[in-house]
Amino acid sequence: QQQVKQSPQSLIVQKGGISIINCAYENTAFDYFPWYQQFPGKGPALLIAIRPDVSEKKEGRFTISFNKSAKQFSLHIMDSQPGDSATYFCAASRDGGYQKVTFGTGTKLQVIP
Amino acid sequence: DAGITQSPRYKITETGRQVTLMCHQTWSHSYMFWYRQDLGHGLRLIYYSAAADITDKGEVPDGYVVSRSKTENFPLTLESATRSQTSVYFCASRDGGGKTEAFFGQGTRLTVV
Repeated sequence: QQQVKQSPQSLIVQKGGISIINCAYENTAFDYFPWYQQFPGKGPALLIAIRPDVSEKKEGRFTISFNKSAKQFSLHIMDSQPGDSATYFCAASRDGGYQKVTFGTGTKLQVIP
Repeated sequence: DAGITQSPRYKITETGRQVTLMCHQTWSHSYMFWYRQDLGHGLRLIYYSAAADITDKGEVPDGYVVSRSKTENFPLTLESATRSQTSVYFCASRDGGGKTEAFFGQGTRLTVV
């Protein structure tokens, strides 16, 4: 049962463009929505996270948009750079507890010069 | 060095053999987790531990055994390896006290032949 659906599976973006990755969830009890970035041969690392009491969170070139009524959230990468090429995972959890976290299936982003 | 380390990084084993993957963290984090990463499935939780001597099943626990006699170590054992257990395994740890960020190891690529 896939509780967090992530799209697209892969994405190619020109340098300087905007990368957009979307996620949708089913469980309305989720209250923490992190995004993880994973480079080849490395473990995932927390990139940015949001809670449902805000509709947007921005950290540098990375922005999470959150639509509670639609149960959707998305990651926007502005001015995408080749160094952003990685796999991105959205996730959702309850009570901030990682024993309950559910990950999306991942999006492989390639930023071409 | 501080952090979370997994060993081995790569392992090839035969069907039916027992194999143990090691995970060690130096932060004294309360929580530790084992995930497997497979194409099209994202990260799926196998087992987690809230403290020494406290473990619980995740989403896909069948065929795996864990123990946690010390806070810093959380080994994962495949009692009788099967080809379906070919995967990349990630260990992660998180502090307690409401802190939500988990830190992942670099992963162990396991191939069962």
